[in-house]
Amino acid sequence: GDSVTQMEGPVTLSEEAFLTINCTYTATGYPSLFWYVQYPGEGLQLLLKATKADDKGSNKGFEATYRKETTSFHLEKGSVQVSDSAVYFCALSHMDSSYKLIFGSGTRLLVRP
Amino acid sequence: GAGVSQSPSNKVTEKGKDVELRCDPISGHTALYWYRQSLGQGLEFLIYFQGNSAPDKSGLPSDRFSAERTGGSVSTLTIQRTQQEDSAVYLCASSQQLNQPQHFGDGTRLSIL
Repeated sequence: GDSVTQMEGPVTLSEEAFLTINCTYTATGYPSLFWYVQYPGEGLQLLLKATKADDKGSNKGFEATYRKETTSFHLEKGSVQVSDSAVYFCALSHMDSSYKLIFGSGTRLLVRP
Repeated sequence: GAGVSQSPSNKVTEKGKDVELRCDPISGHTALYWYRQSLGQGLEFLIYFQGNSAPDKSGLPSDRFSAERTGGSVSTLTIQRTQQEDSAVYLCASSQQLNQPQHFGDGTRLSIL
C-alpha cells in the first residue's frame, strides 16, 4: 500500500542554518504531496503542497519539489528561525484512496537561538 | 472565517464507557475526515464523508468505532466500551472538495483511565 517515509528526528539547528527534512513516498499513480506543520500546543496546519511532478510548493520561506523520478518531496528552508521549531509531517493523497492523507511519522525540528 | 471546530478539547473517561466526539467543519466544505494521532501509531486515517455518498470506513480500527454526519455538516465520532489503547488525539479535517487541501481542527485529546 501507499506509504510515506520521513527522516528520523529530532533535528536540532542553530538559527539561520539551512534546513532539509527528507521525505520519500511509495504510491501508485500520481499522488498529491503535502507538508503539514504542528507547532507546540497547536493543531496541524498545511505548510505547502504540490500536485504534479516537478511542481514546487512554497510558503513562509519553505520549499519542496515533487520529484517523480526519485519519489521524493524534501522540505528545505534557507535560514531557519526559532519560531520554526515544530513537528513537520510529510503526507500524500490521491483519488484512488478517497484523498485521505497518508502521513509520515513526523520530524521534530528544534531551532536554537 | 471560522476554522474546523472540535469539542470537547479534552476528555477523560473510565475504561468501558462510551464517548462522543464532535466536529464542526468549515462552512461549505463537503468532505470531512477523521484521523487519530497516537504515540505508537502516528497519524492514522479513520473515516471520511463526502456529501451524501456512503462513508469510507476503511480506517476504523474496530466495530466499537462509528461515525455519522448529519445534514452534510456536523459529524460525531462515537467510541463504545472504550479501552486504554483508544487514548489518543482525535483530529477532524474538512476540505472544500475531495481533491482540495484538508484543514484540521485542534483535536480532542482522549484519555482512558
